[in-house]
Amino acid sequence: GAVVSQHPSWVICKSGTSVKIECRSLDFQATTMFWYRQFPKQSLMLMATSNEGSKATYEQGVEKDKFLINHASLTLSTLTVTSAHPEDSSFYICSAFSRGPSSKTQYFGPGTRLLVL
Amino acid sequence: AQTVTQSQPEMSVQEAETVTLSCTYDTSESDYYLFWYKQPPSRQMILVIRQEAYKQQNATENRFSVNFQKAAKSFSLKISDSQLGDAAMYFCAYRRETGTASKLTFGTGTRLQVTL
Repeated sequence: GAVVSQHPSWVICKSGTSVKIECRSLDFQATTMFWYRQFPKQSLMLMATSNEGSKATYEQGVEKDKFLINHASLTLSTLTVTSAHPEDSSFYICSAFSRGPSSKTQYFGPGTRLLVL
Repeated sequence: AQTVTQSQPEMSVQEAETVTLSCTYDTSESDYYLFWYKQPPSRQMILVIRQEAYKQQNATENRFSVNFQKAAKSFSLKISDSQLGDAAMYFCAYRRETGTASKLTFGTGTRLQVTL
């Protein structure tokens, strides 16, 4: 099946610093990737839709200047949390939309746990 | 707007028994996909099963099957011969068919416990 990787899996940073999370589709091309945030014992909340070569589309209430998304290639999207604060601590998950013959399905990365001190 | 409702926050099943997780959704679209995803303690989201709305036949993947009732907008997941490894959060999700990538709408999840 389609594989999506995320890096790093864990990150701890100081308040005020920026953190970059990478999402890669390893064995397929992904014109569209999605970024989610998940709080403990809650469902996934879509933050933004990332399209290769164009600006990301953010969901209502998500600060685009706070969460910078870049989809530079068909296999890589990055999420940068700028000037992180403790309230940004969360579990961030990316997914990639595979349009191969067996899919039209989103495949998820393993997630990144962010802790802002 | 589309909504997905999972009315069972927690369910429990004995090993080797069968359990059914409920999901209802609301949409005005006629062409869409429905999914069940599993999230074990590792928090990796794993696709369990997918159903295309235009297909009348219920999807089946080994021990997992769905009961898709389009008119009732119901999409339940049946897990047969439950195993300890089935313990996880299960999310029902909806995606409308647009010809291009469109976002998933998730339910709130059902936590499944499997007991010996």
